[in-house]
Parts: sequence; C-alpha cells; structure tokens
Amino acid sequence: DIQMTQSPSSLSASVGDRVTITCRASQGISNSLAWYQQKPGKAPKLLLYAASRLESGVPSRFSGSGSGTDYTLTISSLQPEDFATYYCQQYYSTPLTFGQGTKVEIK
Amino acid sequence: QITLKESGPTLVKPTQTLTLTCTFSGFSLSTSGVGVGWIRQPPGKALEWLALIYWNDDKRYSPSLKSRLTITKDTSKNQVVLTMTNMDPVDTATYYCAHRHGSEIDAFDIWGQGTMVTVSS
Repeated sequence: DIQMTQSPSSLSASVGDRVTITCRASQGISNSLAWYQQKPGKAPKLLLYAASRLESGVPSRFSGSGSGTDYTLTISSLQPEDFATYYCQQYYSTPLTFGQGTKVEIK
Repeated sequence: QITLKESGPTLVKPTQTLTLTCTFSGFSLSTSGVGVGWIRQPPGKALEWLALIYWNDDKRYSPSLKSRLTITKDTSKNQVVLTMTNMDPVDTATYYCAHRHGSEIDAFDIWGQGTMVTVSS
C-alpha cells in the first residue's frame, strides 16, 4: 500500500494568509494525486486532481504542485470559508489511500 | 446534474452484516469510464477508501477489508450496493458513496451526503 503523510496536522492562520499543506507519498505516484476540502458534518469536496488541475468551480486561490513523492496544496489568500480540513488522496494504485488530514483553523 | 444518496441502517449489532445502498442520478454505470466508490470516516478521524466498482463490473477492494466486503451494481436501478460482514464497533463511521472523476482518475468528484452507521449491541 502507498502511505500518504500530510503535514502539518493542523495550522492556525489568518484571513489573507498564504497557506501551504504538504503531502508525501511512500513511493512515486506520478502526479496521481487529489486534494479535498471537508467542513464539519459535510462530505468532502474535490478541489484538485492530477496534482495541479483545478476542479470546475473551485476558486483560483487554490493551487497544487509537486512531482514524484512530494506534493503541495497552496491557498494564496485564505478566506473565511476556507477554514476546514484538507485531505490528499493518491490514485496511482489501489488500495486508494488518503492522508490523515490537515485542519486549518482561525488564528 | 449528478447526485448520489446513501441509505441503510443507522444501527447494527456486532457480528451482523451491513448492507448500504447508493442510489444515484445524472449518470449511467454502463457508460465507459464511470465508477462508484465507497469511503468511510470514523468520528473525528480520516477518510478510508473501501471499494470501487467500474462500468465494466471490475471491482477493487481495500485489502484490509476485502474478506468482509462485496460491492455490486444494478445498472437498471441506478444503484450500487455495499455489504460488509461481521460488523464490529470499530466499523462505526459515516459511510459515503462517490462518483469516480473519470477515466484514469480514481478520485471522487461528487459525493453523497453520507450515512452514519453505529455498531453497538
């Protein structure tokens, strides 16, 4: 199985801050990576796939980058509605695996 | 517009079998490239992928749960059914079904609202 490790597990930030979340795979996944946002009591929402491709309707302040084993989700200017938990997921091979999540809280 | 909705029992007893149904609209599971997956989330914990069924009836399972899971589809009813045997309190979670993003992309672009399942005697 490919293990996905996110860092940090949580962070505190202010509105307008630039936020970066990292996801590391235990082996290369050839950009087969998705990022999700989840708010309390709600289903996850797909933000990006193929590491850097923005899902339709997702604001452009979200971006993704990376290659090989290391990937990054960046929020260029944090908005009040962005306070949530973020998960990465690899789909390079089954079993599909998720990171443990990064909770973005208000400072 | 694609929608999915999970249904099933909210409470099951230990050792019982859980049967969850995902009823969807806006797509057909007979169309090439389409798939539906199941993902669960214990309270306060991370997402865990369980199973995925494809338009061609190919099926993939989480190895750690494979012996307990069965995923099937009924294309005429627009439904996907997940069964999980020998339920245990650690299986208490919200269970989601979700639409596969597309060919070669086993990410999930549309999710159901989820259904909370508690395992307790």
